Amino acid sequence: DGGITQSPKYLFRKEGQNVTLSCEQNLNHDAMYWYRQDPGQGLRLIYYSQIVNDFQKGDIAEGYSVSREKKESFPLTVTSAQKNPTAFYLCASSIDIADTQYFGPGTRLTVL
Amino acid sequence: GESVGLHLPTLSVQEGDNSIINCAYSNSASDYFIWYKQESGKGPQFIIDIRSNMDKRQGQRVTVLLNKTVKHLSLQIAATQPGDSAVYFCAESPNTGGFKTIFGAGTRLFVKA
Repeated sequence: DGGITQSPKYLFRKEGQNVTLSCEQNLNHDAMYWYRQDPGQGLRLIYYSQIVNDFQKGDIAEGYSVSREKKESFPLTVTSAQKNPTAFYLCASSIDIADTQYFGPGTRLTVL
Repeated sequence: GESVGLHLPTLSVQEGDNSIINCAYSNSASDYFIWYKQESGKGPQFIIDIRSNMDKRQGQRVTVLLNKTVKHLSLQIAATQPGDSAVYFCAESPNTGGFKTIFGAGTRLFVKA
């Protein structure tokens, strides 16, 4: 059963704590992405990775970090430097960096 | 893509009627367009795409129309069903997708039974 999984579905953290969101895909896609979704706004790109061991900042990378040590995994860390981390986070992947993106189910992060 | 602040445009239709959802895109250089459906609390699902060398493409119960002259995209859903209730948003890209894709905020579709 191929697809993109994200965990956990809901995440609660105290202010000042770092938190890591998981994204895994078994589609054999080279490219992976992280987006943030806020109410009434379009998706905003945080980071993307074209291939293993490579990643680039998107439009709103400040306060976030990523790694891409394996093709199937692209975890996102929301650091304490992120001023307003409460949001719905979406991971996506595509065959390559210029192809249609397919999304995971999302993680809703709430910082208390 | 469209940006509508905190409140999304809403379309309410009767079950069985046809729905038309519109999108004004921003970049005249965009070459590839996608419609996604997002149900509450879930990730976006790919519905249908269209390249700029086409003006119409049909899928199962859905049709996408592209008017490059006025930079307008529409999604038509035939015989709308309660399961079609969701937020629909368009995306544009200068090639075939990827990291340069720009996503609109979307339109909320309510289907009345």
